[in-house]
Amino acid sequence: EPEVTQTPSHQVTQMGQEVILRCVPISNHLYFYWYRQILGQKVEFLVSFYNNEISEKSEIFDDQFSVERPDGSNFTLKIRSTKLEDSAMYFCASSPPGDIQLKEQYFGPGTRLTVT
Amino acid sequence: AQSVAQPEDQVNVAEGNPLTVKCTYSVSGNPYLFWYVQYPNRGLQFLLKYITGDNLVKGSYGFEAEFNKSQTSFHLKKPSALVSDSALYFCAVRGDNDMRFGAGTRLTVKP
Repeated sequence: EPEVTQTPSHQVTQMGQEVILRCVPISNHLYFYWYRQILGQKVEFLVSFYNNEISEKSEIFDDQFSVERPDGSNFTLKIRSTKLEDSAMYFCASSPPGDIQLKEQYFGPGTRLTVT
Repeated sequence: AQSVAQPEDQVNVAEGNPLTVKCTYSVSGNPYLFWYVQYPNRGLQFLLKYITGDNLVKGSYGFEAEFNKSQTSFHLKKPSALVSDSALYFCAVRGDNDMRFGAGTRLTVKP
């Protein structure tokens, strides 16, 4: 069964450094998302992406964040200058073509980002 | 704005007993509701969804959920809990371009 993959599984970085989190969505999916989950807390929406542009972003997704689909398979989240409070589990998700509101999202296993 | 609430942080049940994990929703327009499960150190796995039609929705691993429009609820249920059902459960509602999750309910099934 196809699945969303994410790399790395764990990233440790120093405050102020840039990080890029990578995701490979399911191949025929057209909608892509990033979420984050601070340890033990709720899953928070960051951004959705469709047709090579951002569809919606939350208030968390400020100028320090950016997303890109550099080729036909990868979907990346970049944090330009990490802060301690960016430490969280970051999940990528994708959903298949069709009415976006009716489709479930398929989540990757997550990247645990630790900012020191 | 679309939102869901999970009033219980923790639910404990004995193996073999029925379980219910509660969720209430607030939406403008038609509600598109989902349940996801998260096992330790894993991503979220889709369990089931309500879009339209029958109020009782059946999903993976023997779970089902009942949509109740008058009570704005979408409770997750299973007739007989297994120890392996122990996990974090999230209710979610579809927004225009995102998915809004509840805070999660930790289900513990004891042998």
